[in-house]
Amino acid sequence: EVQLVESGGGLVQPGGSLRLSCAASGFTFSSYEMNWVRQAPGKGLEWVSYISSSGSTIYYADSVKGRFTISRDNAKNSLYLQMNSLRAEDTAVYYCARLLPTMVFDIWGQGTMVTVSS
Amino acid sequence: QSALTQPASVSGSPGQSITISCTGTSSDVGGYNYVSWYQQHPGKAPKLMIYEVSNRPSGVPDRFSGSKSGNTASLTISGLQAEDEADYYCSSYTSSSTVVFGGGTKLTVL
Repeated sequence: EVQLVESGGGLVQPGGSLRLSCAASGFTFSSYEMNWVRQAPGKGLEWVSYISSSGSTIYYADSVKGRFTISRDNAKNSLYLQMNSLRAEDTAVYYCARLLPTMVFDIWGQGTMVTVSS
Repeated sequence: QSALTQPASVSGSPGQSITISCTGTSSDVGGYNYVSWYQQHPGKAPKLMIYEVSNRPSGVPDRFSGSKSGNTASLTISGLQAEDEADYYCSSYTSSSTVVFGGGTKLTVL
């Protein structure tokens, strides 16, 4: 079964750091581009970051640029998001999602909740 | 990276048809045929319903259809059913090599 499972969410104080992980299974992870997408409570979807299949190309939303770092370990079938200098507005469910060449997010994880609060 | 514009809510009765619009610019919706639509039920992850403007993934009922004209894409659901009640999001590839989502539309089946 094709599956993505996120972990690492939790409660963190403003200015703190958190590292999210996404474990992939059921497909050849190293062949696919991956993304992080977040959704603040009661709000819409917001694309956060993209990484190419090899990890050589990376993009970030302006809202997280300079604070978040996306990475992947193809040997471990895992995607990561290092989040530093966290702000209250980063509070959201974070989803990892597989991206097809047709710019489609076809597989989503169940999401992991990040709460930034003192 | 401004979000695409969707109506906040739409509603319809069972059996009726509804259309949700998604307006962008020539740098996203109007510039590429990479518009997708996602359905999201409360507490669940989004589910792909339409890709490349008008294509349906396997398993998605043919009651769901998509189209585009200029900078505006549309999702039409015909023969509304109770289980269609959900939030719907459009997305588009952009000239910045990123993806942008719409603000979301809450569909209520009366």
